[in-house]
Amino acid sequence: EVQLVESGGDLVQPGGSLRLSCAASGFTFSDYWMHWVRQPPGKGLMWISRLNVEGTGTYYADSVKGRFTISRDNAKNTVYLQMNSLRAEDTAVYYCTRGWSEGFDLWGQGTTVTVSS
Amino acid sequence: QSALTQPPSASGSPGQSVTISCTGTSSDVGGYNYVSWYQQHPGKAPKLMIYEVSKRPSGVPDRFSGSKSGNTASLTVSGLQAEDEADYYCCSYAGSNNLNYVFGTGTKVTVL
Repeated sequence: EVQLVESGGDLVQPGGSLRLSCAASGFTFSDYWMHWVRQPPGKGLMWISRLNVEGTGTYYADSVKGRFTISRDNAKNTVYLQMNSLRAEDTAVYYCTRGWSEGFDLWGQGTTVTVSS
Repeated sequence: QSALTQPPSASGSPGQSVTISCTGTSSDVGGYNYVSWYQQHPGKAPKLMIYEVSKRPSGVPDRFSGSKSGNTASLTVSGLQAEDEADYYCCSYAGSNNLNYVFGTGTKVTVL
């Protein structure tokens, strides 16, 4: 089955760190750019980061630049999002998505990150 | 990071059509033919409905269609069905040196 499965979401204090993982299966992972998109509670979608197929080209939204790092392990079919210096406004459901023609054709179920003291 | 502008809500009776607009700028919607649309049911992940302005992925009913004129893209759902009731988001590529991707504010479609 073609799918993405995120994990790693948790409750974390402001200033803390968290690493999200997204395991891919059912397709050739190394052929696709991968992205992270988040959705704060009751709000809309926001693109936050993408990574090229080799893992050498990274892009970030201004709101997370310098705090978040995207990476991938093509041998493990997994993409990661390392989140540091977390803020209350980072509270959201985080989705891993597969890039397709400058859109996103496959989504995981999401993992919830809550930043609160 | 400015979001694309969508109407908060839209509605129609079963069998009718509803059109949702998505307004951006020449730096995003108007500058690229890379507008996509997503359907999201409550508590679920988004689903790609339209890509490259007007193309439908395999499995998406042809009741869903997309178009673009200038800085505004549109999604039309024809022959509304109960299962079409959901939130819809547009998204545009905005260039790798700028915003990369920008989503719309979202539209809640209600089937009356």
